[in-house]
Amino acid sequence: QQQVKQSPQSLIVQKGGISIINCAYENTAFDYFPWYQQFPGKGPALLIAIRPDVSEKKEGRFTISFNKSAKQFSLHIMDSQPGDSATYFCAASPAGNQFYFGTGTSLTVIP
Amino acid sequence: NAGVTQTPKFRILKIGQSMTLQCTQDMNHNYMYWYRQDPGMGLKLIYYSVGAGITDKGEVPNGYNVSRSTTEDFPLRLELAAPSQTSVYFCASSQTGFNGYTFGSGTRLTVV
Repeated sequence: QQQVKQSPQSLIVQKGGISIINCAYENTAFDYFPWYQQFPGKGPALLIAIRPDVSEKKEGRFTISFNKSAKQFSLHIMDSQPGDSATYFCAASPAGNQFYFGTGTSLTVIP
Repeated sequence: NAGVTQTPKFRILKIGQSMTLQCTQDMNHNYMYWYRQDPGMGLKLIYYSVGAGITDKGEVPNGYNVSRSTTEDFPLRLELAAPSQTSVYFCASSQTGFNGYTFGSGTRLTVV
């Protein structure tokens, strides 16, 4: 079964808007939650990651919000740009040995 | 600095054929992984290795084999290729697992 559930499957946002992608998990052993960005024909690239001891992490226009009690985490892209158009994957790992990926969100930012 | 290099980039196999997907990293990372990516399914872990001589199964290991004789190389072997193995295969590496992965650019495999 899917260890990490990601939504929405696709997202269209106007330039300058906020893109929000959500993920949920059940396994309480997960303790590292990265987000990856993938452009067509390329491998995924690490975007930002969070550990469960903090509720939010911000890097530039990208923010992860983490709700440990709800077992949910989300990626917020502020001031979305056409160059942000890509597929985004959330992931989760117990102890860093294996990562379980969400099914991906295809983001399109319209100029 | 090449990072993670995968070869070939594309390959078409006939049912029943075998092949090896090559993966090399030059970052002296201990951890290496093989994932497959299917449309709408995300990435699924096939095999991983935490160091030379050590390998372990991931979520979807059936039909595949790996070896890790050196820190740099982690080849993935497909025996008796089946249409269900049509996918994009990604190799990745990391130093500790918690630093996140560095992915290769992928191998697109079609089995006909």
